[in-house]
Amino acid sequence: AQKVTQAQTEISVVEKEDVTLDCVYETRDTTYYLFWYKQPPSGELVFLIRRNSFDEQNEISGRYSWNFQKSTSSFNFTITASQVVDSAVYFCALGGLYNTDKLIFGTGTRLQVFP
Amino acid sequence: SQTIHQWPATLVQPVGSPLSLECTVEGTSNPNLYWYRQAAGRGLQLLFYSVGIGQISSEVPQNLSASRPQDRQFILSSKKLLLSDSGFYLCAWSAWWDTGYQETQYFGPGTRLLVL
Repeated sequence: AQKVTQAQTEISVVEKEDVTLDCVYETRDTTYYLFWYKQPPSGELVFLIRRNSFDEQNEISGRYSWNFQKSTSSFNFTITASQVVDSAVYFCALGGLYNTDKLIFGTGTRLQVFP
Repeated sequence: SQTIHQWPATLVQPVGSPLSLECTVEGTSNPNLYWYRQAAGRGLQLLFYSVGIGQISSEVPQNLSASRPQDRQFILSSKKLLLSDSGFYLCAWSAWWDTGYQETQYFGPGTRLLVL
């Protein structure tokens, strides 16, 4: 069965600290997709990144970076020099190859960044 | 560019009353459409998805139903609301391609429903 585990329920940091959000997944599929979404207090889920299982190259986008390690089934998300605006709930999700394969979401990690 | 709308933004309904939530997408054709529910402090639960007009797949047995009367319109309904239907309802869309491969889902602003 497919499963996504975000073991960190809540993380609190002070502004400018680096923070890593962990995501561990389980799947028997050889081809799959991984996603990260941000849910600010307003509630809307904002798409951050999509990665397919063939591409293990790490990605950096500004202060955000993602470390995909197939060997450990992990897709961790790091925010460098965190800011108050980063405060949100972050969800990791796993999807199969086809669009009829539903997304499996983790339970989310609430990040609070204090000034 | 594509945009997704949901309304109403918030709704307070008595138990036993009907429900109709609407979702529309602009700027794309033949999207895949999804309804999710998020209970307070919890993850997302897929309720329904649709790959075309009149094509609805249900993921969870409940007293909710969904319809897709037009290509870019997705409606979530109930004949009689239960207390347990309270939550945050999110609509999402993804592009449809001939390959049928998984595409990114983009979410709407959501509807907060409180059943009293």
